[in-house]
Amino acid sequence: EAGVTQSPTHLIKTRGQQVTLRCSPISGHTSVYWYQQALGLGLQFLLWYDEGEERNRGNFPPRFSGRQFPNYSSELNVNALELEDSALYLCASSFQRSTGNNEQFFGPGTRLTVL
Amino acid sequence: QQPVQSPQAVILREGEDAVINCSSSKALYSVHWYRQKHGEAPVFLMILLKGGEQKGHEKISASFNEKKQQSSLYLTASQLSYSGTYFCGTARGNFGNEKLTFGTGTRLTIIP
Repeated sequence: EAGVTQSPTHLIKTRGQQVTLRCSPISGHTSVYWYQQALGLGLQFLLWYDEGEERNRGNFPPRFSGRQFPNYSSELNVNALELEDSALYLCASSFQRSTGNNEQFFGPGTRLTVL
Repeated sequence: QQPVQSPQAVILREGEDAVINCSSSKALYSVHWYRQKHGEAPVFLMILLKGGEQKGHEKISASFNEKKQQSSLYLTASQLSYSGTYFCGTARGNFGNEKLTFGTGTRLTIIP
């Protein structure tokens, strides 16, 4: 079974530009999560999508946005890039069960460097 | 609020045991443990649910103390493959894990 895939693997942008990152979840998973992992800061929750809807977002400015498509794949858009946006962006997917017992499976990430 | 992990880093010889703690100031519904090796994606280890049992997987187990809002990850007879950074993620709700809040990680290094 294929795991979570993300594209591109690496990306270099300059300040002020816009970027789109893509994620394909494991087949059958309806939820997609986005995290930012900056050096030394651990995993910071960005966004959660389930069944095409944004369910929750972390403490990030509105220039971080995304969407989930009918096939459950997802995009993360970051506008007006700033130097501190340089990080590894991880996507994870899971089933949604009401018990809270929903392990998340992570993709390999997209390494974004903003110059 | 971000859970606090301790220790921040630990170095062990192969075969030694380790305990990694994850504490929250808020009431939790679940605690999730992940391991991330350098340059790789985090890998799910286990979930501890409120009111649930201690979990285990081979020589890695974990517990969840609801009174203290603390979870501990136990690694016994550590192997070289256990090296990596361990993250706990906490969830306060019981519908999915819509907002996992991760700790800053514990870097575990196993030396021969």
